[in-house]
Amino acid sequence: DGGITQSPKYLFRKEGQNVTLSCEQNLNHDAMYWYRQDPGQGLRLIYYSQIVNDFQKGDIAEGYSVSREKKESFPLTVTSAQKNPTAFYLCASSTTGGVYGYTFGSGTRLTVV
Amino acid sequence: GQNIDQPTEMTATEGAIVQINCTYQTSGFNGLFWYQQHAGEAPTFLSYNVLDGLEEKGRFSSFLSRSKGYSYLLLKELQMKDSASYLCAGATNKLIFGTGTLLAVQP
Repeated sequence: DGGITQSPKYLFRKEGQNVTLSCEQNLNHDAMYWYRQDPGQGLRLIYYSQIVNDFQKGDIAEGYSVSREKKESFPLTVTSAQKNPTAFYLCASSTTGGVYGYTFGSGTRLTVV
Repeated sequence: GQNIDQPTEMTATEGAIVQINCTYQTSGFNGLFWYQQHAGEAPTFLSYNVLDGLEEKGRFSSFLSRSKGYSYLLLKELQMKDSASYLCAGATNKLIFGTGTLLAVQP
């Protein structure tokens, strides 16, 4: 079955360490997205990519980096520059323009201690 | 800007009907999505309106007025399992989400 996989589900890191969150999809979607969600709040866009080897900053890109070397994969690195990285991170994918809907992964809960 | 506003919280009774409103200030949206999200889980798709009017899907209906920058999600015959957050999202070449509405369904 096609879908989008995020791993790991829970991640703990020490303050000051970089950490990379994985996102893989086998839906043949061109576009992929990373969102951050804090308790009691909506989803805020970090980065998105409409095509391989290209990506754009979302509303809260500072302290994060991404790559899009393969259509199936869109990893997110939370760097030590991110002031408050503890959050729930969601990856999504869609066809170009999203007219057929967006598919979300199950999320990664990152806790920085 | 692309502000999307929703009420923060709502409470309703099992078996009743509830309407969750969403207003937005942008002319760039291609359509409007509604998602349901239970705590700690991924959002799940409920509906997508690209044209003005009402879309009905079982117990859930969604309405869009592009000229007024207004949408609502209507939930009928509420069940306890409908207690969740409901997210309104505008679509351009990405999804822009509102803050979400936390719905509590009481017996």
